[in-house]
Amino acid sequence: DSGVTQTPKHLITATGQRVTLRCSPRSGDLSVYWYQQSLDQGLQFLIQYYNGEERAKGNILERFSAQQFPDLHSELNLSSLELGDSALYFCASSAGGGPGGELFFGEGSRLTVL
Amino acid sequence: GQQVMQIPQYQHVQEGEDFTTYCNSSTTLSNIQWYKQRPGGHPVFLIQLVKSGEVKKQKRLTFQFGEAKKNSSLHITATQTTDVGTYFCAGPLRGSQGNLIFGKGTKLSVKP
Repeated sequence: DSGVTQTPKHLITATGQRVTLRCSPRSGDLSVYWYQQSLDQGLQFLIQYYNGEERAKGNILERFSAQQFPDLHSELNLSSLELGDSALYFCASSAGGGPGGELFFGEGSRLTVL
Repeated sequence: GQQVMQIPQYQHVQEGEDFTTYCNSSTTLSNIQWYKQRPGGHPVFLIQLVKSGEVKKQKRLTFQFGEAKKNSSLHITATQTTDVGTYFCAGPLRGSQGNLIFGKGTKLSVKP
């Protein structure tokens, strides 16, 4: 158990819909990262938050947005969903916001868009 | 842009055989991390290497960081079925703070 909690574990929805994925980081961790993993693909970095503020953006589509709340949990919002958005979405957390820190991954939210 | 490449993409071995995966970065890395993802699971941190030429061992796993800090390898001696999974290397994403760029991973299958 990494200490990072993600909900829901599985989500099936239709094209055009909007979903929200939730992540609670490890106790004390200030950084939250979102990654997308498609079938047989590596981990694509989407976005990072540190202590409530956006720290870095990766290959995140404009249809996607995220935020980190004062209690440090984070939500990833995916809208106008397309078939290609079907993937495993991981949240990870780390203690600091600088490089070199080990990432602790949650178990992921598997999104299926039909 | 910055890239981290891993080879091979897939490796099938007989139980007891050795296994090696290689990681190459397009840029010099301040450190490199390795993660393992079991089938149906999530990535789990294995180790971090920081020094040029560093070699670290964890039981049957040997990790190396190249002298130029642009490549790394993971070698597993006498694979077991519990070694099955995808092994990812990752390095700091240039220009970011705390972000990692991951290789696409090497998927290891072990035949008993």
